This record gives sequence, C-alpha cells and structure tokens, in this order.
Amino acid sequence: DAGITQSPRHKVTETGTPVTLRCHQTENHRYMYWYRQDPGHGLRLIHYSYGVKDTDKGEVSDGYSVSRSKTEDFLLTLESATSSQTSVYFCAIREGDSPLHFGNGTRLTVT
Amino acid sequence: DQQVKQNSPSLSVQEGRISILNCDYTNSMFDYFLWYKKYPAEGPTFLISISSIKDKNEDGRFTVFLNKSAKHLSLHIVPSQPGDSAVYFCAASAQSAAGNKLTFGGGTRVLVKP
Repeated sequence: DAGITQSPRHKVTETGTPVTLRCHQTENHRYMYWYRQDPGHGLRLIHYSYGVKDTDKGEVSDGYSVSRSKTEDFLLTLESATSSQTSVYFCAIREGDSPLHFGNGTRLTVT
Repeated sequence: DQQVKQNSPSLSVQEGRISILNCDYTNSMFDYFLWYKKYPAEGPTFLISISSIKDKNEDGRFTVFLNKSAKHLSLHIVPSQPGDSAVYFCAASAQSAAGNKLTFGGGTRVLVKP
C-alpha cells in the first residue's frame, strides 16, 4: 500500500523462536500502531508509538515488544513465539485528525 | 469485555438493495466512530466516520447513523454493489484519550449477490 510497507508478508516460525515484524512508512506520520486480527475479535491494539522512542501498550501487549528508533520504522518483536500469536498483524499510521491508514498485513503462523 | 460489538458476523444482500450493518458500544467516553472496509489479503481502508456531535453523515452511497442514547451506530449502503462484498469493521475512539486509539468490533462479512 502506498506510504506504508510491512515485511515480511508471510512468515512461518516455530514455537519459542524470536520473530520481528517491520513496518516502514514514507509519510512522516507521527503515530504508528500495531494491531492483530483474529476471527471474532476484529482488530486489537498491541502497541503504539507517538514519536521516536515513545511507545505505549495496547490491550493485548503481553508477549510483544516494540521499538521505534526512526520516524519511518516501527518494529514489533515476539521474544518467544507461541501458537496463540498465530495471527494477521497490521501496522497503521496516523497524523493529526486523519483516520488510521493501514498496511497490507503480515500473516504469521507459529507451529 | 468487548467495548465495540458487531452482532451480525455475516450479511447477504441482493445487488441494488440496501445493506444495513449494525454496531453497539459500551464505553460512554467514545466520541468518534468510523467504518472500515477490508478485502482479503489487504489492510482495512477507511470508509466513513461520524463525530458524536452529529447523528448522521453521508458520503455517496454510504450513510452512517449514530444514536448516542442507545450507544448504537449503523452503516447503510444504498444501492449495494458486488464490489461492496467485503468485511466491514466498526471502530470507536475517545479523542481526548492518549494516542487516539481505535477500538474495533469483530467485523461483519457482507456478500452482495448479483
């Protein structure tokens, strides 16, 4: 999607391994978010960032950490992946009062 | 407990007819509401929004209605088209809250039959 890129698009990993998902934006937006999408739950907020090195937890942050060392990059790390973290992960960006703009997602499977 | 609920997981409608999607919320601090549309293998895209100071907002074929006293909003699509077949998410935020975070409902899958 224009302005926001998630990588990888698909990943299969084993339980207990660390995983890092990357979100890259070219819009210079201040706010960046990580959501996960699961059937019946819609999208749930994991973590968000309101500036470089400024992050905060969302409603489902356990087992996840994030880092934002540059405006354009927001990384989501699963320190030790579990099967319950199998999901589709979406990054979103926002500036001012504009609606969230989402990337195309990363499908993660933990076996 | 889910603060935003979409009680109909799916909806099937004939092309040209009206699609009505419903959404209920429990948090009285929510003051801004949005609808997103999602196609398979893509991210959600913004469709339409409404502030709590309004009870209706219209954009082409899409109209959102807000009933604050009932904590209920609905999305009307008239006329429905096959390209409207997608999953629709209702979302809400409290604009005064830090980060202006969105809380989403579980989604409603709409199928428009030709």
